Amino acid sequence: KTQVEQSPQSLVVRQGENCVLQCNYSVTPDNHLRWFKQDTGKGLVSLTVLVDQKDKTSNGRYSATLDKDAKHSTLHITATLLDDTATYICVVGDRGSALGRLHFGAGTQLIVIP
Amino acid sequence: EAAVTQSPRNKVTVTGGNVTLSCRQTNSHNYMYWYRQDTGHGLRLIHYSYGAGNLQIGDVPDGYKATRTTQEDFFLLLELASPSQTSLYFCASSEQNSGNTLYFGEGSRLIVV
Repeated sequence: KTQVEQSPQSLVVRQGENCVLQCNYSVTPDNHLRWFKQDTGKGLVSLTVLVDQKDKTSNGRYSATLDKDAKHSTLHITATLLDDTATYICVVGDRGSALGRLHFGAGTQLIVIP
Repeated sequence: EAAVTQSPRNKVTVTGGNVTLSCRQTNSHNYMYWYRQDTGHGLRLIHYSYGAGNLQIGDVPDGYKATRTTQEDFFLLLELASPSQTSLYFCASSEQNSGNTLYFGEGSRLIVV
């Protein structure tokens, strides 16, 4: 059973617009949640990590929220650029130790058009 | 910047063939991982290791062997490749499991015909 669900599956926005990506999960326990960006044909690159019960982070035009009570996270991208075209992957870690497992979502494919 | 290098980047083999995917990291990380990525699925963990000579079984290990020869090098072996193993394979490393971010290679695309 999929424990990390991302929505939408794909999204097309015009350059300069804002967008929001969603991640819902059922992983228990939920130690931390990380968002990755995967350019086409490339590996995953970490954008941000959220740890606290209700957490917010900001990394340039990327900002993210986490609500562990709702088991829900969002990734906001402000003023999108063509280079933001990529797949964005939500990953939930069930522990912070060597005993932990990472649970990957299938990703949201974002396409930014001129 | 962490560096994880995979080879080959692309490979085509026949059913029953023998394939070795190589991964080298130059970050002195203890943990290394092999994942497969398939359309519609999140990355799935095949095998991982927390040091030279160590091997841990992941979530989808069937049909795969792995070997960690040094701290830097981690190999994934498919001794009798099957079409179901057609996939995009990623190697990753981290300082410690789970808590620290993973640094990924650029992937090895394997096609089994």
